This record gives sequence, structure tokens and C-alpha cells, in this order.
Amino acid sequence: AQTVTQSQPEMSVQEAETVTLSCTYDTSESNYYLFWYKQPPSRQMILVIRQEAYKQQNATENRFSVNFQKAAKSFSLKISDSQLGDTAMYFCAFGRSNSGYALNFGKGTSLLVTP
Amino acid sequence: GAVVSQHPSRVICKSGTSVKIECRSLDFQATTMFWYRQFPKQSLMLMATSNEGSKATYEQGVEKDKFLINHASLTLSTLTVTSAHPEDSSFYICSARDQGATVRLRTDTQYFGPGTRLTVL
Repeated sequence: AQTVTQSQPEMSVQEAETVTLSCTYDTSESNYYLFWYKQPPSRQMILVIRQEAYKQQNATENRFSVNFQKAAKSFSLKISDSQLGDTAMYFCAFGRSNSGYALNFGKGTSLLVTP
Repeated sequence: GAVVSQHPSRVICKSGTSVKIECRSLDFQATTMFWYRQFPKQSLMLMATSNEGSKATYEQGVEKDKFLINHASLTLSTLTVTSAHPEDSSFYICSARDQGATVRLRTDTQYFGPGTRLTVL
């Protein structure tokens, strides 16, 4: 079974600063996908960024980037120039390619961006 | 982007009744949809994978006779909570995968509905 661990239940960052959220996972699969989803107070799940395990290059999406270390099974999310609207729960997720990309989620990190 | 709707957004029912939740992909076709459950301040737990035209695949520990899933078309999956009890109260979220016909969407990415809050009295 695949497990996803987010070791930071809560984090805080000042506006315009940079913050990194950590995520580790455990799997015996070689072909998989990793995702970061954001869940604001509305509870709508929003895709932040995705990474294919076979790609060595780290994914980036505007202010969001990941540090994917496959050997270490680590997948951290860096948010640059933090904005108040980034305040949300962030979930790291493992996508199982052999089961239709069903997701195993970590427990989440609650991020608070302060003025 | 990809739009997935859920109906109803909130439902309150009496213990022992059944409740149906609909999940629709509005601008793409989804051969696979997923149902998740989220308790307050907790993560999402996968309940089942719903494939169009076939039986759903349930995760270990999820009662298939209690949580009936029907994926009758490429744009609609329903979750029926039968004989609901207070412990079934939760936030239910569906997601859908594009089958690949839409160039702008990725087939390996799930798009989530807004969720349904179920309260069983």
C-alpha cells in the first residue's frame, strides 16, 4: 500500500515570503504521479501542481514549484511570493497509475499567510 | 478548465432514510469517477472507484451495500447512502478523470466536485 506523510500539520508565512511544505511517500511502484492539491475554506479541491515520477525535471506552475527526489521519495512544495489567497489546507497526493489514478492523500498541512 | 458539479451541496436527512448524491462532469467525458469521504479537519479517504458501465471498485472497509454507486453514463455517477445513520454524516467529494478526448485536460489528473455535506439526524 502507498502511504503519504505530511509532517507539518500547520505552517505560517508572511505575505511575499517563501514557504516550503514537505511530503514523503512510500511505494513499490515505478510508474506513478504526485500531486499537490489546495483546499480553501470553501472545501473545493484545487489542483496546484503535478509531477510524473518518470520525469527528473521538477514541475513548476508560476509561484509554485516542487522538489522531487525520487530516490528519497520526497515531494516538497515551494510557494514563492506568498499571497493572502494562498491560505488553505494543502494536501500531497499519490496517484496510482495501475488503478485509474486513484489518489492516496496525506493528512494535509494548514497554511496561514499573514499580512 | 474542467468542471465537475455535485448535487445537492448540502442535505439533512433522518436516520434510516436513503440519500442520493449526483456527480457530473460538465465539459468533458469521464470513464472513471472517484468518491471520497472527508471528516472534519481530516484528509480525504477514497471510498470507491466508479467506472462507466461496470461495477464500482470499493476500498477495503467500505460497505458496498451501504454506499451504492452507479456510473450510468460518461458524465454522471451517483452515490446512494442507504439506511443512513448519524455516523455516516460527513463531507462527500467526487472527482472525475477525462478519458482523453479533450486535448486541454490531462488523463492522469482528477478534477474535483465542490462536495456534499451530509448530516444524518
